[in-house]
Amino acid sequence: AQSVAQPEDQVNVAEGNPLTVKCTYSVSGNPYLFWYVQYPNRGLQFLLKYITGDNLVKGSYGFEAEFNKSQTSFHLKKPSALVSDSALYFCAVRVTYNFNKFYFGSGTKLNVKP
Amino acid sequence: DTAVSQTPKYLVTQMGNDKSIKCEQNLGHDTMYWYKQDSKKFLKIMFSYNNKELIINETVPNRFSPKSPDKAHLNLHINSLELGDSAVYFCASSQEHEAFFGQGTRLTVV
Repeated sequence: AQSVAQPEDQVNVAEGNPLTVKCTYSVSGNPYLFWYVQYPNRGLQFLLKYITGDNLVKGSYGFEAEFNKSQTSFHLKKPSALVSDSALYFCAVRVTYNFNKFYFGSGTKLNVKP
Repeated sequence: DTAVSQTPKYLVTQMGNDKSIKCEQNLGHDTMYWYKQDSKKFLKIMFSYNNKELIINETVPNRFSPKSPDKAHLNLHINSLELGDSAVYFCASSQEHEAFFGQGTRLTVV
């Protein structure tokens, strides 16, 4: 079975410090990996994706993520957090043999304190 | 210019009623989805359509019936609403890679 794990329900970080939101996955086949952000009472906004190529991918709002095949991880990072980054973050995977389904992690609430 | 739009944004209704949520995408995507987000924020796929054809039906009660009149629209009709149906329902569409989501419909059954 395909699955995505976000081991932390919540991540707290001070403004200006680096942040990491963790994601690991378990799929059969090659994964397409994604990060989404959800602000209160809003839909999910696409942040970045890994499809193929360079393991480090850059996305919106200064976020980046590193695909690590051996550890089956795709952690989200940002060098310097902003208070406005506080939101709910979802990792998702789509397997290449079943394009019709995205598997989502349980979400991680990021709190950035001034 | 909204890429994926859902209506209504909020829906409050009594148990036993029938209601519909509409979704339209102007991205030209072939695949559309309905996801349910529960009170703990878990996202669970309900249905997936590809070019108006049902591809995925994730053990959703028969009271939920999606309809896709064309590939730009995917509506969700719910019969005999129950308290447990209260959630946020998201429509999404995708083509090659990422999915684009609507703003969600917050359904409250009282």
